[in-house]
Amino acid sequence: DVKVTQSSRYLVKRTGEKVFLECVQDMDHENMFWYRQDPGLGLRLIYFSYDVKMKEKGDIPEGYSVSREKKERFSLILESASTNQTSMYLCASSWRGARNNEQFFGPGTRLTVL
Amino acid sequence: GQQLNQSPQSMFIQEGEDVSMNCTSSSIFNTWLWYKQDPGEGPVLLIALYKAGELTSNGRLTAQFGITRKDSFLNISASIPSDVGIYFCAGQQRSRGIYSGAGSYQLTFGKGTKLSVIP
Repeated sequence: DVKVTQSSRYLVKRTGEKVFLECVQDMDHENMFWYRQDPGLGLRLIYFSYDVKMKEKGDIPEGYSVSREKKERFSLILESASTNQTSMYLCASSWRGARNNEQFFGPGTRLTVL
Repeated sequence: GQQLNQSPQSMFIQEGEDVSMNCTSSSIFNTWLWYKQDPGEGPVLLIALYKAGELTSNGRLTAQFGITRKDSFLNISASIPSDVGIYFCAGQQRSRGIYSGAGSYQLTFGKGTKLSVIP
């Protein structure tokens, strides 16, 4: 079974703090993704990576950065957290190849910024 | 960006009833996926569709890739209480982005159908 794990299920941070969200997958997937999920807005892509050290902006990259130093790990960084970044953050991964659209999700991190 | 219109937004059904939901777009998609999300959890992939007209089943779930490639349907037969959750459709279009293949990895998601099952 594909397993995608996220470092925290719940996180509470203060405005201005630097926040790291970690995601690890154990299926040797090339592609990894970070989404945020908000009521009424659905899932929105923040960043994705198709290889180690490679990254591309998604639809809402402002206020975020990412790091992919190892194939199995993809980190999302909030340089200076703000209250409007309170959300559910979901990590996903997929293969490169014929079935690259089948993204497998982690359990999510619910981040609250006070 | 591209949008997927998913309907209905929510539905309440009696246990044992069949359920239908659909997803439509004004654009053509190459792939359709259906996910289910339980409260407080990440989405779980239910069915993936890769060819126009394709009909695929996963237990009591059946999904179809529309002939026009602009829509997809998910049916659940004989619903049970554990079917409760939010069902998302997702579609993938042709590649875009600087790296020739990178954009093809992106999915567009519908806003979900919230299903409630009354025992």
